[in-house]
Amino acid sequence: QKEVEQNSGPLSVPEGAIASLNCTYSDRGSQSFFWYRQYSGKSPELIMFIYSNGDKEDGRFTAQLNKASQYVSLLIRDSQPSDSATYLCAVRGNSGYALNFGKGTSLLVTP
Amino acid sequence: DADVTQTPRNRITKTGKRIMLECSQTKGHDRMYWYRQDPGLGLRLIYYSFDVKDINKGEISDGYSVSRQAQAKFSLSLESAIPNQTALYFCATSRGSDYGYTFGSGTRLTIV
Repeated sequence: QKEVEQNSGPLSVPEGAIASLNCTYSDRGSQSFFWYRQYSGKSPELIMFIYSNGDKEDGRFTAQLNKASQYVSLLIRDSQPSDSATYLCAVRGNSGYALNFGKGTSLLVTP
Repeated sequence: DADVTQTPRNRITKTGKRIMLECSQTKGHDRMYWYRQDPGLGLRLIYYSFDVKDINKGEISDGYSVSRQAQAKFSLSLESAIPNQTALYFCATSRGSDYGYTFGSGTRLTIV
């Protein structure tokens, strides 16, 4: 079983701060990486994807990928209370047939 | 209308009953998936299908079966429900291996 590991949290940050969410994966051949946001009782929503080493920015979100270290992260700048949710890291391995999800990190942004 | 529709949204049923969860999509995606989500265990893959004639088991397929009736429809059945199948079930679709998923709204299934 290919592992995707996330700290379960909760990660608590004050409003306006940068939230940093981390994910490691075991399959060195993994090709694509996704971040989903899931509000309680709702379905996961895709917020970022990244395929190449380095940073990818989209609005307040930045995804960072380091394949050598098998590490992917999500930064949320100017965090808002509405960002409070569980963030799921998902990895597509070399086989390419499905995404393998981490258990998620709970983020709490306090006013 | 939602791109990926799951029915029912909630279901309570008794141990031993057969139950079917349905998923339909208007995304035009070939790839469809069924996952279950349990507290502390995350999302786990049950079955997936890349086209109408293609059905594949995921990591936790025991006790489940699926049917891909059309490109747009993918149903999950529990042949004889047991309490540890109580979970939140998600259907998802994808355009291909380089793309993420679009999830349905989920079915909250309780087996008593």
